[in-house]
Parts: sequence; C-alpha cells; structure tokens
Amino acid sequence: DIQMIQSPSSLSASVGDRVTITCRASQSISTYLNWYQQKPGKAPRVLIFAASNLESGVPSRFSGSGSGPDFTLTISSLQPEDFAMYYCQQSYSTPLTFGGGTKVEIK
Amino acid sequence: QLQLQESGPGLVKPSETLSLTCKVSGGSISGSNYYWSWIRQPPGKGLEWIGSTYSNGYTNYNPSLQSRVTVSIDTSKNQFSLNLTSVTAADTSVYYCARLGFTVDCPHWGQGTLVTVSS
Repeated sequence: DIQMIQSPSSLSASVGDRVTITCRASQSISTYLNWYQQKPGKAPRVLIFAASNLESGVPSRFSGSGSGPDFTLTISSLQPEDFAMYYCQQSYSTPLTFGGGTKVEIK
Repeated sequence: QLQLQESGPGLVKPSETLSLTCKVSGGSISGSNYYWSWIRQPPGKGLEWIGSTYSNGYTNYNPSLQSRVTVSIDTSKNQFSLNLTSVTAADTSVYYCARLGFTVDCPHWGQGTLVTVSS
C-alpha cells in the first residue's frame, strides 16, 4: 500500500497568514494527488485535483504543487472560513489511500 | 452538475449486513470512463477507501475489507451499491459515495450517511 504522510498534523495560524501543508507518498505517484478540506459534520470538499488543478468555485488563495512523492497545499492568505481539516489522497494505485489529516486552528 | 446521494438504514445490528445505495444524477454512470467508489470515516477519525466499481462491472476492494465487501453497479437505475457483511461496532462510520478512482479526474462526493452498528 502507498502510505501518505501529511505534515504537520496540526497548526495554529492567524487570519492573513500564509499556510503550507505537505504530503509525502511512500513511492512516486506522478500527479495522482487530490487535496480536500473538511469541516465538522460535512463531507470532504475537493480543493485541488491532479496535484495542481483548482476545483471550480474554490478560491484562488488555495494552490497545489508537486509530483512524484512530494506535494504541497498552500493557502496564501488564511481566511476565517479556512479553519478546518485538510486531507491529501492518492489515486495512483490500489488501495486508494488518504493522509492522516492536518488540523488548521486559529492562533 | 453531477450529484451523488447515499441512502440506506442508519442503524444495523451486529453480525448483519450493511447495505447502502448511491443515486447519481446530472450524469450517466453507463459507459462513463469513471470509477464509482465508497469511502468511510469513523466518528472523529480519518478517511478509509472501501472499494470501487467501473461502468463495466469491474470491482476493486480494499484488502482490509475485501472478504466482507461487495460493490455493484446498476446502470439502468444510474446507481451503485455497497454491501458490507458481518458488521461490528467498528464499522460504525459516515459512509460516502464518490466518483473517485484511479484517474486524474476531479472527484465528486456525496454528502455522506451515518451508519451505526448497535443492537
């Protein structure tokens, strides 16, 4: 199985901060990498697909980069509505696997 | 706009079979080059892929659940289904259906449904 390691597992940040979350796969997955935001009681929301493609309707302050084993999700200027859990997920091979999540909290 | 909606019992007894259906609207399952998947999330925990089906009926399951899982597709009703046998309390989760699979296409998820395993 491909392990997806997210870091950090949690972070505290202020509104307006630039935030970076990383995801490392245990082997190369090309660009078969999706990023999700999840708020309590809600389904995961797609932010980025195929490593760097912004899903329709997602604010441009979100961006994704990377390929192979190493990926990054960046929030350029953190907004109050961005405090949530974030997950990465690989679609390269079976079983599909998710990172353990990063909780973004208010400082 | 593609929409997915899960349905099924919210309470299942231990040792019984959990059965859920995902109705797809705004797009056709038949003939599409997409995978249709089930994912679950225990309360307060992370996400676990259960299995996927393709429009031709091909299936692929998480090895950790493979002995108990069946995912099937009904193109005539534009829906796909999950059966999980011999459930225990550890299977209590929010179950999501999604257009998600071994591609670089943008995923689409349903809103999820909570299934509790309890007597």
